[in-house]
Amino acid sequence: EDQVTQSPEALRLQEGESSSLNCSYTVSGLRGLFWYRQDPGKGPEFLFTLYSAGEEKEKERLKATLTKKESFLHITAPKPEDSATYLCAVQEYSGYALNFGKGTSLLVTP
Amino acid sequence: KAGVTQTPRYLIKTRGQQVTLSCSPISGHRSVSWYQQTPGQGLQFLFEYFSETQRNKGNFPGRFSGRQFSNSRSEMNVSTLELGDSALYLCASSSNTGTGYNEQFFGPGTRLTVL
Repeated sequence: EDQVTQSPEALRLQEGESSSLNCSYTVSGLRGLFWYRQDPGKGPEFLFTLYSAGEEKEKERLKATLTKKESFLHITAPKPEDSATYLCAVQEYSGYALNFGKGTSLLVTP
Repeated sequence: KAGVTQTPRYLIKTRGQQVTLSCSPISGHRSVSWYQQTPGQGLQFLFEYFSETQRNKGNFPGRFSGRQFSNSRSEMNVSTLELGDSALYLCASSSNTGTGYNEQFFGPGTRLTVL
């Protein structure tokens, strides 16, 4: 059973059309939840870490939130340069590995 | 600050060969993790090293091994390559101070193709 599930798998938005990406997780003890952005052929780029339910973090047009079962990445008024795959990962207290979801592929068209 | 560097960036090998990939972490980072990324399985954890000790290992066969040197640089080795080992191999470093600052920063990856 997957510990981390991301939805939707793919999302196409018009420039300026806000939306949210979902990451649901199942872990026994959450050390942290991480959001990354990955462009084709490149390594993931760190965006946010969330540690406890109710926590929120913002960076430019992105805002990440966390509950006890899921996290959302809200994208406000996206631009074509926001097109990328967004990855969610969890880290448990039992170790240091990041357990990744399969990602959401976002395409923002002009 | 320079980011995580990985060498080589691209490799082509044939089945049965072995390969060594190298990773230099961000200066001051003592934790290095390795991940395999494939279209079907996504990003999967291989192993993590801290101060030359392997602390965590993922669910991969023994053909996959790694090590870390005293300067925190790390290498991973894959022996007896199989077609299914074709993937993007990513290295990530973390300061991992133990106080909750656990962000992992990734390198550009090594693209391995097994023919």
